[in-house]
Order: sequence, then structure tokens, then C-alpha cells
Amino acid sequence: KNEVEQSPQNLTAQEGEFITINCSYSVGISALHWLQQHPGGGIVSLFMLSSGKKKHGRLIATINIQEKHSSLHITASHPRDSAVYICAASWGTDKLIFGTGTRLQVFP
Amino acid sequence: DVKVTQSSRYLVKRTGEKVFLECVQDMDHENMFWYRQDPGLGLRLIYFSYDVKMKEKGDIPEGYSVSREKKERFSLILESASTNQTSMYLCASSLRTGLPGANVLTFGAGSRLTVL
Repeated sequence: KNEVEQSPQNLTAQEGEFITINCSYSVGISALHWLQQHPGGGIVSLFMLSSGKKKHGRLIATINIQEKHSSLHITASHPRDSAVYICAASWGTDKLIFGTGTRLQVFP
Repeated sequence: DVKVTQSSRYLVKRTGEKVFLECVQDMDHENMFWYRQDPGLGLRLIYFSYDVKMKEKGDIPEGYSVSREKKERFSLILESASTNQTSMYLCASSLRTGLPGANVLTFGAGSRLTVL
């Protein structure tokens, strides 16, 4: 069964801290996605990757195919980074399977 | 710059009522999806459409139906709403697999449905 698991479920940090959110998945994915959901519901795609690393501003996503693991890092965290971060995977089809999300709160 | 629009942000309905949730996208995407999101369960796929008049059941289709008569519009129908259908409903669209940028979902703002 294709599955995606995230950790931790909840994360609090002080402004400026380096943050890591983890995602593990079952074998054979074609792509791994990271999404962000702010309070109020809107979901935005941050990254889609199948190998290596991608960076956008203070966000970095990495994937290790051998270990079936991906991480989302936030450098120099800020209160506006407070959101739910969601990992999702696809197995060569148009449909994604989602993790349950990591709720991040960054305090000033 | 809104790309996926859901017709209602908040709805309150009574048990047994028929409910229509509408979703419109302006990006000419082939794929459209309806998800529901519940605390601790993440996003779960209700139905998926890969073309006009084409649909596939997702993980939790029971109690729901869909309609896609035009490429830009995908409707979710609750024939007889029940309290366990109280949830956040999210519509999304994407290009079909194989095209550049495929599988990257664009979401609507969500429709929070309460069934009393």
C-alpha cells in the first residue's frame, strides 16, 4: 500500500531557528511534493522533486531515494512561516497521496 | 489572479438536503480533484476527473457524486447530506501526467460545510 508519513505532527520554534520537517514514503514514487497551508485553508504548492535538492528563498527541500525520505528545511524562521506543511507523493499517476501534515508555529 | 475558484466559502445545510459545491479553474487544466480535509486525517480524495465527462472514484466516494460538463468546471454533489459529511472541501486542478509541470496542484480556497 502506498503511504506517506510525516513527523513531527506539531512543531514550535523561536524566530530565527532552523526548522526541519520529515517525510517518509513507500517505495517507487515518481515525485514528492511539499505544500503549505495557512490558517484559513488555502494550500500552495512549494516544491515538487524526484531527486536531489530544491531551494526557494529560505525554504529547502531534499529527497533521499535510497532511504525513501524527504525533508523540508526552513532557515531563519519567521512568524509568517507559521502554517501547516504537507508532504505528498505520486506513483506515476495523476493522483497524490498526502501525509497528515505538520503544524508549525514560530514565535517572535 | 485567482486561478481555482470555489463557489462558497462557508455553507450550513440540514441533514437530507442536496448540496452542490462548484469549482472553476481558468488554467485549462485537464485534471480536477475534490478532496475533503479532516483533522488528523489529512487530505483524502473523493473524486478525480481527467477530462470532460470523465471521472474516477477516489478513496472515499460514498455519499458523493460529481459532474464535469465543461473542462473548467467540476461540481461535487452531496445527494442527501449527513452530519458525517461536515468537513472542509478542497478543489484542485493540474495538468495531466506527461506534460511539463504535471502533478503540481493548484488549490481553491476551500469550502467549509457544516451539516446540522
